[in-house]
Parts: sequence; C-alpha cells; structure tokens
Amino acid sequence: DGGITQSPKYLFRKEGQNVTLSCEQNLNHDAMYWYRQDPGQGLRLIYYSQIVNDFQKGDIAEGYSVSREKKESFPLTVTSAQKNPTAFYLCASSPGQGGYEQYFGPGTRLTVT
Amino acid sequence: GESVGLHLPTLSVQEGDNSIINCAYSNSASDYFIWYKQESGKGPQFIIDIRSNMDKRQGQRVTVLLNKTVKHLSLQIAATQPGDSAVYFCAEFREGTALIFGKGTTLSVSS
Repeated sequence: DGGITQSPKYLFRKEGQNVTLSCEQNLNHDAMYWYRQDPGQGLRLIYYSQIVNDFQKGDIAEGYSVSREKKESFPLTVTSAQKNPTAFYLCASSPGQGGYEQYFGPGTRLTVT
Repeated sequence: GESVGLHLPTLSVQEGDNSIINCAYSNSASDYFIWYKQESGKGPQFIIDIRSNMDKRQGQRVTVLLNKTVKHLSLQIAATQPGDSAVYFCAEFREGTALIFGKGTTLSVSS
C-alpha cells in the first residue's frame, strides 16, 4: 500500500522544547516537502529536498530544521526558536526532482503551550 | 510580490448545482496552474492542472479555465455532490521553483 505517512497525528509539547515530526514515503519519489498550514490560510513552504543529502529553505524556514539521509524519510524538527509553532504540518512528495503534482500525507497537528 | 489568491473564502451550493471557484494570480511567468482539494483533517489532493499555454482543460466532472488576460483561474464542478465539500486551493508553479498556494475556498454542499 503506497503512500506517505506522518506520525503522530496529534502532538503536544511545552514551549522551549524541540520536537521532531516524522514523514515517510514508499512511493520512490525523489522530492519531498514540508508545509505549514494555519487556520484559514494556504500552505506555506518550510523546506524541500529534491534529492538525498540535499535540501533548500522555503519561505518560512526560520526556527525549523530538516535532514534527508534516506530517500524515504524527511523529518522536520521544530526548534524552540520557532516563535509560533502551533500549526498543522503537512509533508508531501513528488516524482522527479520537484514538480507540481504532489502527494500529501495526512498531516500532524502540533500544539505548543 | 508574487501571490495566488482566491476571490471568496466560502461558497455554499445545493447538491446537483454547478460550482465555480475562482482564483486570481499575479505571476505571469508561471508554467502551470493547479487545483487541490483538502478534506477536513486530511492533506490536499491533486485535482487537475492546466498549462499556461492552454485556456481550458476538462477532467471528470471538473473543468479548469485560465484567462491570462486578466490573470484569472477558475474551477468548475458539475453536479456538485456532498462529497465535494472541502477546501479548494489554487496553486501556481514555475519550472525549477516550488508550488505557491493560494488561501483556499471552502465549498459547502447541502442536500
């Protein structure tokens, strides 16, 4: 059963703690993406990776970090430097080294108090 | 700056009616325009795309129209069903760059 998985679906953290969101895909896609979605807003790009061991900052990368050690995995760390971390986080992948037909995971809702 | 926006944040229709969701864009250099559908609590799903050198493309029950003169994109859904209730995002794409999403229109279909 191919697809993108994100875990956990809901995540709660205290302010000041770093937290890592998981994203795994078995679609054999080269490109992977992290987006942030706030209520009533569109998706904003945090980071993206077109190939293993390489990634680029998106529009709102400050306070976030990523790694791409394996093709299947693209974890996102929300650091304590991110001023407003509470949001819905979406991971996506696409075939080739970046495209517009992206396949999204179910998302992780992060709440920081 | 570059932006992709939607005219209306919400749209309510009756089951069986046709729905038209609109989007205005500002970047004439985009190569593709795309519509995504996001159901509650889920990630967005690709619906349909249109290349910038086209003005109309049809899918199953959906049609996308592109008017480059006024930088306007629309998604038409025929015979709207309750399962079409979702947030619809337009997005634009240029080769070598990333997708830029608009803010979304919430479509509510009542029986």
